Formats: sequence, C-alpha cells, structure tokens
Amino acid sequence: RKEVEQDPGPFNVPEGATVAFNCTYSNSASQSFFWYRQDCRKEPKLLMSVYSSGNEDGRFTAQLNRASQYISLLIRDSKLSDSATYLCVVINNAGNNRKLIWGLGTSLAVNP
Amino acid sequence: DAGVIQSPRHEVTEMGQEVTLRCKPISGHDYLFWYRQTMMRGLELLIYFNNNVPIDDSGMPEDRFSAKMPNASFSTLKIQPSEPRDSAVYFCASSQGPYNEQFFGPGTRLTVL
Repeated sequence: RKEVEQDPGPFNVPEGATVAFNCTYSNSASQSFFWYRQDCRKEPKLLMSVYSSGNEDGRFTAQLNRASQYISLLIRDSKLSDSATYLCVVINNAGNNRKLIWGLGTSLAVNP
Repeated sequence: DAGVIQSPRHEVTEMGQEVTLRCKPISGHDYLFWYRQTMMRGLELLIYFNNNVPIDDSGMPEDRFSAKMPNASFSTLKIQPSEPRDSAVYFCASSQGPYNEQFFGPGTRLTVL
C-alpha cells in the first residue's frame, strides 16, 4: 500500500457543482496535513492546512479523519478557475527528521 | 520579496553531460527542499536542508545526484552524468519552519536526450 494515495481523476464537474476529494495515508502517527493546488505547468501552491477540528476557507473545506486515516477537501460552487490538480501532503516525524510524503494528485476540470 | 528563484527555467542536454540546477530561497527561510516531478511518480522529495545543513537525502536517486547549500541564499542540485530518465521538472521550495507552508520556485524543466 502506498503511504499516501489519491484518486487521480480526472473529476469533470459543471460550474456550480460541489466536489470532494479524499487522500488516504498509511501511517497512523502522521502529524501534519496540507492541500496544495497545482495549475498546469506551474508550481504547487498551498491551498490550505488541515486541522484536527476541520477548517473552512470560503468555498473550500478541509477535514481530517484520523480513525479512518484520510483527509478530505470539499469545494462548493465550483468555478472554472478551480480547474487544477490538488495534491495532498502528509508529514511524518521519522526520528529527529521530518518525512514529507506527497500524493500524486487529483485532477479537477470544471466545465462551463 | 521575489519568491523562490530557480535557474535555468529550461535545460536541454545530452546524455552524459553534467547538469547544475540553481535555487535562491526566500530570505529568512531556514528550510530548503529539492523535488523532482514526473507524470509517473508525481512529486518526489529528493533532499532537504535546515540552516544550510542536509537533513534527509534519502530521496536522492543515486550517486549521480548531489546537492549543496554553501550559504543561506543559494543551493545547487547537480546531476553527473545525466541520463534520459532524469528528464523531469525539478522544483526548489523553501519554508520558515518544519511544518510551515512551502513556497515553490517556478521549476526547471530538464530534458536529457
């Protein structure tokens, strides 16, 4: 089993739709979680951190489910500009070092 | 701030040649990361530095790859000799702390013929 797994998609949704992605992780001791967004041929940029209590930023909601070992990203009222690849990042403490593990990403296409 | 700066943006070289990628992190960021991204393997962490010291290089593919950070404002990733399978986009990123947001540079698109 991969340490971090994402459904690659693509998810094709119409404007205004609600769409959700999950990212599963295998290490129950994972400590920090993030969602990044990457536009085509561009660098990844932080979308939001994922807190234990869940967090919301406008149309975006991130949640953590430690029992089932996954994080989720919900996008409401999808816009054309939301079309991108969404990458999850899991950070584990490996001894005295951090270990960053990136998912392969979920591709989202929002259609007019 | 100009953000993370990488050079060159594009590099085309022939197999066997030496390739050097450069990165200038954001001033004040203590962590610097080198990544490689391909369609098949996604984003892979190669190595990261804390205060110019390499902390984890377990992602470096093999001895052909080396990275240095001689000072807080400059890092290099060198591939010698290069091979076609090294073709990828190489990103440099920096952050203020171990759990902080990482800021990525625009990447270097490397093609090895």
